[in-house]
Amino acid sequence: DGGITQSPKYLFRKEGQNVTLSCEQNLNHDAMYWYRQDPGQGLRLIYYSQIVNDFQKGDIAEGYSVSREKKESFPLTVTSAQKNPTAFYLCASSPRFARGRDTEAFFGQGTRLTVV
Amino acid sequence: GDSVTQMEGPVTLSEEAFLTINCTYTATGYPSLFWYVQYPGEGLQLLLKATKADDKGSNKGFEATYRKETTSFHLEKGSVQVSDSAVYFCALRDDNYGQNFVFGPGTRLSVLP
Repeated sequence: DGGITQSPKYLFRKEGQNVTLSCEQNLNHDAMYWYRQDPGQGLRLIYYSQIVNDFQKGDIAEGYSVSREKKESFPLTVTSAQKNPTAFYLCASSPRFARGRDTEAFFGQGTRLTVV
Repeated sequence: GDSVTQMEGPVTLSEEAFLTINCTYTATGYPSLFWYVQYPGEGLQLLLKATKADDKGSNKGFEATYRKETTSFHLEKGSVQVSDSAVYFCALRDDNYGQNFVFGPGTRLSVLP
């Protein structure tokens, strides 16, 4: 059963701690993405990776880090440098873009991170 | 750069009413277009898509037609149900912006019984 899995669903972080959010896909997709969503807001791109061992900063990368050592995995670390990390985090994957082809993104169920 | 504009919400309708959510885009390339739906506390699900001009995407009674001449991809449904209450995102993807997706701000739809 192919899909994209995020874990955990809920995560609590103390001030000053780093936490890592997991994202795994078995869709054989080259591209993977991390988005942040604040209440009642749209999606903001944190990091993306179009191929293994390569990733790029998105619009709001400060205070976050990622790795892409395997095609199926793209973990996100929220560091203590991220001043306001409480949010809903969404991971997605997609095939590489090709004009006229099906290249939609598939999303995980999200991780809700709360700072306590 | 590329951008997507959606009508501001929230949109509140009675059950069985007709729905239109407007979406227009700006793109320097020839993008693919998508509508995603997000239910409370969940991730986004693909609702429908179109990859070239004049294509009509459809799913679950929802439709949208890729209009290149007006750079639009408006979402429509003839008779909404309470279960359609969700946030709807219009999005595009093309060769620009690192081949990433560009999402609109989302439109919240509430359907009342």
